[in-house]
Amino acid sequence: NAGVTQTPKFQVLKTGQSMTLQCAQDMNHNSMYWYRQDPGMGLRLIYYSASEGTTDKGEVPNGYNVSRLNKREFSLRLESAAPSQTSVYFCASSEQASVEQFFGPGTRLTVL
Amino acid sequence: GENVEQHPSTLSVQEGDSAVIKCTYSDSASNYFPWYKQELGKGPQLIIDIRSNVGEKKDQRIAVTLNKTAKHFSLHITETQPEDSAVYFCAASLASNDYKLSFGAGTTVTVRA
Repeated sequence: NAGVTQTPKFQVLKTGQSMTLQCAQDMNHNSMYWYRQDPGMGLRLIYYSASEGTTDKGEVPNGYNVSRLNKREFSLRLESAAPSQTSVYFCASSEQASVEQFFGPGTRLTVL
Repeated sequence: GENVEQHPSTLSVQEGDSAVIKCTYSDSASNYFPWYKQELGKGPQLIIDIRSNVGEKKDQRIAVTLNKTAKHFSLHITETQPEDSAVYFCAASLASNDYKLSFGAGTTVTVRA
């Protein structure tokens, strides 16, 4: 099993450009999450999907959209990237809410 | 929402010594407290967790304690080894909020050989 995979690993964007971060899990988990990690701030939840077909906002959703494409895949879209969105983005999944979350390797995004 | 504070931000210990990281949380309804370890260039990985109906939990060299009255919980690593060098995050969540995790800011632990 690959666990949680994320693409791309690195990305550089110019302000105003758009892009989609892809995430997939092969553990048949119901819940999936998107976090961003910034120095000195830990991980902050952007959006999550408790189950296929549902999505909800987390702590810092502004400037992002998500799509739970199917049970395996959960994508994060930046419609108009801003320098404040420079960060490391992690996708995670769990069998159900309240138990262990498994994290992907992360995407390092730089917005110039 | 839940606010989790973590201290210290950096910790340097001699190999073989113990390391202690402390976290406080704000919402007394929180009932699940995991600890994650993040190695350089990787995603966080769960190392131990505790629920609010338990005061202490151990797993080999790692232990976590929870004080619900004071709303704080701690991670204890004994007999530290170089491979314990990493960033450690505490987190808290509650059932009424879909168990969404609120993370502390992280502690960078360096074990000196």
